[in-house]
Amino acid sequence: GQNIDQPTEMTATEGAIVQINCTYQTSGFNGLFWYQQHAGEAPTFLSYNVLDGLEEKGRFSSFLSRSKGYSYLLLKELQMKDSASYLCAVSLPSGGYQKVTFGTGTKLQVIP
Amino acid sequence: IAGITQAPTSQILAAGRRMTLRCTQDMRHNAMYWYRQDLGLGLRLIHYSNTAGTTGKGEVPDGYSVSRANTDDFPLTLASAVPSQTSVYFCASRIQGTGGHGYTFGSGTRLTVV
Repeated sequence: GQNIDQPTEMTATEGAIVQINCTYQTSGFNGLFWYQQHAGEAPTFLSYNVLDGLEEKGRFSSFLSRSKGYSYLLLKELQMKDSASYLCAVSLPSGGYQKVTFGTGTKLQVIP
Repeated sequence: IAGITQAPTSQILAAGRRMTLRCTQDMRHNAMYWYRQDLGLGLRLIHYSNTAGTTGKGEVPDGYSVSRANTDDFPLTLASAVPSQTSVYFCASRIQGTGGHGYTFGSGTRLTVV
């Protein structure tokens, strides 16, 4: 089966840096997504990593190590609006469609 | 519309009733998906469609059916609702074949089956 693990909850202080980890054990790998989901809203796309290394996009960066089955999302200069759930998702090879398996998400609370 | 529209926003449904959740997109994305999201279980794929006229089963297809008569619309039907189908349902779309493009999600339908 496919297994994606993320911490359930995290708390961080406004202005600080937080790292949300994701480990995966899957049969195959095409790439890894990160999504942000505010409470009661739809997920929104943040990043997609295919190759090892760090990809930076403004205050958000995402890292991937395929050999370790590991990724993290780094959020800098935290703002109150960053309080949300962050979903790690792995894209898997599939004959019929792009199969994407989601983790259960990490709920981040940013406090003043 | 500029994106994906789902309807209704929320619904309370009696067990045994039939219901169709609507999903329409105007981005000309060829691939569309239906997910359900349950606390502690994350998003799980119900059905998908790579292009108009084709559909396929995801991880949890039982009790659900879909159709894709055209590019824009991808309705999800519960033939005879059961309480275990209480969930938040998200429709999503993307450009098939471009791995780096994430999904665009609709705003969701919160369904309660009683």
